[in-house]
Order: sequence, then C-alpha cells, then structure tokens
Amino acid sequence: AQKVTQAQTEISVVEKEDVTLDCVYETRDTTYYLFWYKQPPSGELVFLIRRNSFDEQNEISGRYSWNFQKSTSSFNFTITASQVVDSAVYFCAPFERGGDDKIIFGKGTRLHILP
Amino acid sequence: DTAVSQTPKYLVTQMGNDKSIKCEQNLGHDTMYWYKQDSKKFLKIMFSYNNKELIINETVPNRFSPKSPDKAHLNLHINSLELGDSAVYFCASSHRQGGGTEAFFGQGTRLTVV
Repeated sequence: AQKVTQAQTEISVVEKEDVTLDCVYETRDTTYYLFWYKQPPSGELVFLIRRNSFDEQNEISGRYSWNFQKSTSSFNFTITASQVVDSAVYFCAPFERGGDDKIIFGKGTRLHILP
Repeated sequence: DTAVSQTPKYLVTQMGNDKSIKCEQNLGHDTMYWYKQDSKKFLKIMFSYNNKELIINETVPNRFSPKSPDKAHLNLHINSLELGDSAVYFCASSHRQGGGTEAFFGQGTRLTVV
C-alpha cells in the first residue's frame, strides 16, 4: 500500500536558520508525482512545488529547495535563511494513482520560526 | 481574480440542521474535489468529480451529498449535521489528464456544529 510519512510533527528554529522538512513516500509505482503545500496561520492551502518520479534534479526557488531521491523514497524540503513568515504547516502530498486518482496528504509538519 | 472560491468562509449551525457549502473555480479545470481537515490538521479527501461525474466517494456518510451542476461548480450539502462534522472543508480543482497535476484550493469553510 502507498504511504506518506512526515515524521517531524513540529519544528522550531530561530529566524535565519536553515531548516529541512522530511517526507518519505512508499509506493510500488514506478511513476508518481509529489507535491508540497503550505498552510499558513490564515488557513489557506498554498501549492509550492510538483515533482515527478523520473526527475531527480533538485529544484531551487528563492530560499526554498527540494531534494528528491527515488532510491530512498524521500522528498525533502529545505528553507534557507528562514523568516517568521515561513511559519506554517507544510504538507507533503503524493498523487495516488489507481483509477480514482487523487492527492493524498501527509500529516503535516508544523514549523515555527522564532524571531 | 480568485481561482477557487468557496462560500461561506464560516458556518456556525446547530445539530440536526441542513447546510450547504458552494464552490466555484475559474481555472477551466475538469476535476473538482472536497477535502475535510480535522482539528489535528489531517486532510482527507471526501469526493471528486470529473466533468460532473462522481469519481471518488471515500466512505463518507450519505448525509453528505455533493452536487456538480457543471464543471466549474461543486457544492456540498450536509443533512442532519452532527457535532463530529465540525471541521474545515476545502474545495479544490485540477486537470485530470491522466493525473499528476497540482490541485488548487479554496480558502476553506470552517464549519462549527453546536
């Protein structure tokens, strides 16, 4: 069965520190897609990135970077030089295929950036 | 322009009442979803519709009835509300096209049943 794990329930770091959020996705599929979403205190769900399983190149967008390693089923997200505005719940969300295609969500990691 | 909009944003109602949440998307997507987020922030899919056809019904009580009048709208009607229905409900949309495309979410409707 497919399974997404965000082992870190809650993380607190001081502003300007780097922080990495872990995600492990276990599946037998050879082709799959993974997303990260951010949910700030205001409550909306904001799409951050989409990666597919056949592209293991790291992606960088400003202070955000994503490291996808198919061999370890990990899709980690790093925030460099964190800011208070990065405080949010971050969800790793694989796209689960099988007729009723759908995005499933990990339990989320609550990130606190302390001033 | 709002891409996925849902109304109302907040809904407080008494047990036993019937209520509806509306959702509209202007992204031209063919698939729409309802997700429920509980108090622990766990997000779980409830329904999805593709071109007005029900695709996913994730063992949701039949007090919940989605309705999709057209591709751009997916409403959620809830009968005989119970305390356990209190949650944030999110509508979302995406292109299905074999899967793998991101979904865009509405701002959520916080439902409180008292």
